[in-house]
Amino acid sequence: RKEVEQDPGPFNVPEGATVAFNCTYSNSASQSFFWYRQDCRKEPKLLMSVYSSGNEDGRFTAQLNRASQYISLLIRDSKLSDSATYLCVVNMINDYKLSFGAGTTVTVRA
Amino acid sequence: NAGVTQTPKFRVLKTGQSMTLLCAQDMNHEYMYWYRQDPGMGLRLIHYSVGEGTTAKGEVPDGYNVSRLKKQNFLLGLESAAPSQTSVYFCASSQRGGENTGELFFGEGSRLTVL
Repeated sequence: RKEVEQDPGPFNVPEGATVAFNCTYSNSASQSFFWYRQDCRKEPKLLMSVYSSGNEDGRFTAQLNRASQYISLLIRDSKLSDSATYLCVVNMINDYKLSFGAGTTVTVRA
Repeated sequence: NAGVTQTPKFRVLKTGQSMTLLCAQDMNHEYMYWYRQDPGMGLRLIHYSVGEGTTAKGEVPDGYNVSRLKKQNFLLGLESAAPSQTSVYFCASSQRGGENTGELFFGEGSRLTVL
């Protein structure tokens, strides 16, 4: 079983729509959680960290559910510029290895 | 703001050839990493370094070697390239490591094709 699993999508949504997707992780000892954004043929960049209480950054909301071992990302009022692949990243206690999901692709259409 | 710089950006090799990828960061980060990214898979850690003069194996180290002679540079070497090493390679650095690893800063990637 992969350590971090994501629905690859693609999620095709119109501008202004809300899109949400999850990421599941297998190790209950996971300590830190992040969402990275990767544009086509570019490097990943940190979108936001995911805190236990959930957090928002503008139109983006991240949630953590430790009991069910998943994190989620919700994008409100989608923009064309939100089209990208979103990578779920998990860090475990005492481990230098960040585990990356394969990514969820979102395409926002006009 | 250079951040993390990788060279070369593209390279085509024949099976059995050797090459070195260079990563340089100007953020004075202690921790540096080499990842590979393949279609349908998450980034996988090849090797990492927790400081100048130190290196450690990641989850897919076979066929690769690394060196961290200077704090700002992290080199990835392929001694005898194989088609299975065709991939996009990303170097990254971070200010903290281990369980406190926060943001990773990535280079633009190096696309390697082994024929």
